[in-house]
Amino acid sequence: DVKVTQSSRYLVKRTGEKVFLECVQDMDHENMFWYRQDPGLGLRLIYFSYDVKMKEKGDIPEGYSVSREKKERFSLILESASTNQTSMYLCASSFSAAGLEYFGPGTRLTVT
Amino acid sequence: GNSVTQMEGPVTLSEEAFLTINCTYTATGYPSLFWYVQYPGEGLQLLLKATKADDKGSNKGFEATYRKETTSFHLEKGSVQVSDSAVYFCALSNFGNEKLTFGTGTRLTIIP
Repeated sequence: DVKVTQSSRYLVKRTGEKVFLECVQDMDHENMFWYRQDPGLGLRLIYFSYDVKMKEKGDIPEGYSVSREKKERFSLILESASTNQTSMYLCASSFSAAGLEYFGPGTRLTVT
Repeated sequence: GNSVTQMEGPVTLSEEAFLTINCTYTATGYPSLFWYVQYPGEGLQLLLKATKADDKGSNKGFEATYRKETTSFHLEKGSVQVSDSAVYFCALSNFGNEKLTFGTGTRLTIIP
């Protein structure tokens, strides 16, 4: 079975802190994605990556950056966390088949 | 651009009731269509998919038919169970573009 793991299920950070969210997949998928999920807004794509060291902005990249140094790992970085970044963050990966994404369990981030 | 519109929730049904969750889409070309489900405290998982017009996706008693003429992909189940309580997301992707476009999600609660 494909497995996508995220480093934390729950995280509490203070405003202004630098935050790292880690995602690892074990199926050699080329594509990896970071979403945030908010009530009434569904899932919104933050960043995605088609290959190592490649990244593309999604729909809401402001305030975020990403890093993909190895194929299996995709990191989301909040350079200076703000309260409006309190959300559920979901990582996903996929092979070349369009749209078939495997999701991690999510990280619920609270910024105080 | 692509967009997905789902019926607003929350939806509350009694066990063994018939379920329909409406989903319509706007897309260029011939998208693939998906239903994802998110159980409490978990990430999303693929429920079913359809890749061309008139295809029917099915899984766990759920069904959805790709209707190009009405640009719809409604989710149905003949007899729901308490264990079906979850948030359901309709999504699409275009061939050659691995990104998914999600609807806002519909929360379903089944009461015994």
